[in-house]
Amino acid sequence: KQEVTQIPAALSVPEGENLVLNCSFTDSAIYNLQWFRQDPGKGLTSLLLIQSSQREQTSGRLNASLDKSSGRSTLYIAASQPGDSATYLCAVPNFGNEKLTFGTGTRLTIIP
Amino acid sequence: GAGVSQTPSNKVTEKGKYVELRCDPISGHTALYWYRQSLGQGPEFLIYFQGTGAADDSGLPNDRFFAVRPEGSVSTLKIQRTERGDSAVYLCASSARQGTDNEQFFGPGTRLTVL
Repeated sequence: KQEVTQIPAALSVPEGENLVLNCSFTDSAIYNLQWFRQDPGKGLTSLLLIQSSQREQTSGRLNASLDKSSGRSTLYIAASQPGDSATYLCAVPNFGNEKLTFGTGTRLTIIP
Repeated sequence: GAGVSQTPSNKVTEKGKYVELRCDPISGHTALYWYRQSLGQGPEFLIYFQGTGAADDSGLPNDRFFAVRPEGSVSTLKIQRTERGDSAVYLCASSARQGTDNEQFFGPGTRLTVL
């Protein structure tokens, strides 16, 4: 059974700093890995999808990497801003299956 | 374009009642998913439709939960004889592709409270 872990559960950093969020998964037979952002009381916003054959994806100040063999992904946020404060979730669909298995998220707070 | 929409945004009901939650996917998306999220947790999969048929309902917790998608677009999640433990945010997602390109787009969710 796929298990997804995100450590730390919460992170606070001063505005302007670069930061890295971590995601690990136990079964490397995945189609892709997706990073989401969730604001309090809201749904999930898709940030980046990395296909299983890719190593990284970039969107603006966000860069996500994927090391499938070691079961790890990182989300790098450059020049953090208070508007980046949210919970960040990673999720994977196992090969042959379309449903996502989610981590419990990292709650990020950017301090102005 | 319009994203995934869900109605109602909030639903309060009494234990034992029947509820229906609605999801309107992104136009043209053939796949539709239901997930449930409890406080402080990541979403958990309930059911997945490809077109009108349920391709995977392995996440439905018991036979009180049922979902339909009769015309391959709008879906309704139905919960009978609600219990306090059913209280959660119910999220719907849709996608246009499968496999490695399967990027799922989520709606705002329905917050269900069972008193």
